[in-house]
Amino acid sequence: DGGITQSPKYLFRKEGQNVTLSCEQNLNHDAMYWYRQDPGQGLRLIYYSQIVNDFQKGDIAEGYSVSREKKESFPLTVTSAQKNPTAFYLCASKGSQETQYFGPGTRLLVL
Amino acid sequence: AQSVTQLDSQVPVFEEAPVELRCNYSSSVSVYLFWYVQYPNQGLQLLLKYLSGSTLVKGINGFEAEFNKSQTSFHLRKPSVHISDTAEYFCAVSEWGNTNAGKSTFGDGTTLTVKP
Repeated sequence: DGGITQSPKYLFRKEGQNVTLSCEQNLNHDAMYWYRQDPGQGLRLIYYSQIVNDFQKGDIAEGYSVSREKKESFPLTVTSAQKNPTAFYLCASKGSQETQYFGPGTRLLVL
Repeated sequence: AQSVTQLDSQVPVFEEAPVELRCNYSSSVSVYLFWYVQYPNQGLQLLLKYLSGSTLVKGINGFEAEFNKSQTSFHLRKPSVHISDTAEYFCAVSEWGNTNAGKSTFGDGTTLTVKP
């Protein structure tokens, strides 16, 4: 089955620690996106990539970093500079007609 | 710049009653419009989308939406809801062309709660 996978489902971060969230797609889509979701605030764009080896900051990029070395993969690192990382993180890719396809999400919690 | 406003943060409704979830958007160019649904602790799934043509679009699970250009609205409707429709619903807009690098803007969401 084609789709987007995210891992892990739950992730715990200690103070001062960097953690990396995985996002993989086998839909052969060029564009991929990372969103942060907080209760009552909808989805906020962190980073996006339109093509391999290229990515741009979204609306709330501070404290996060990404890479796009392969078309299938778009990992997100939450750095120690992100002071309020507790949230639900969603990865998506964009297919035809501007439709986005979402992964199941990763919930990040701070210990 | 594009923006989306979902006018109701929460909509409680009884089972088998009709429901309307309201969405207004703002953009200086032509747009694509979407409704997505999110069940607890899951990702978003596409319900329906408007690209062009007929202003009434039908989606999955019996939902439909009507694009109104003059009122810049894209309200979601269902004539008879089920308990299983309880979820968060997001309206989204994406501008035509490549000016926004293919980004979609999402509303803050509407929580639909269907009561027995």
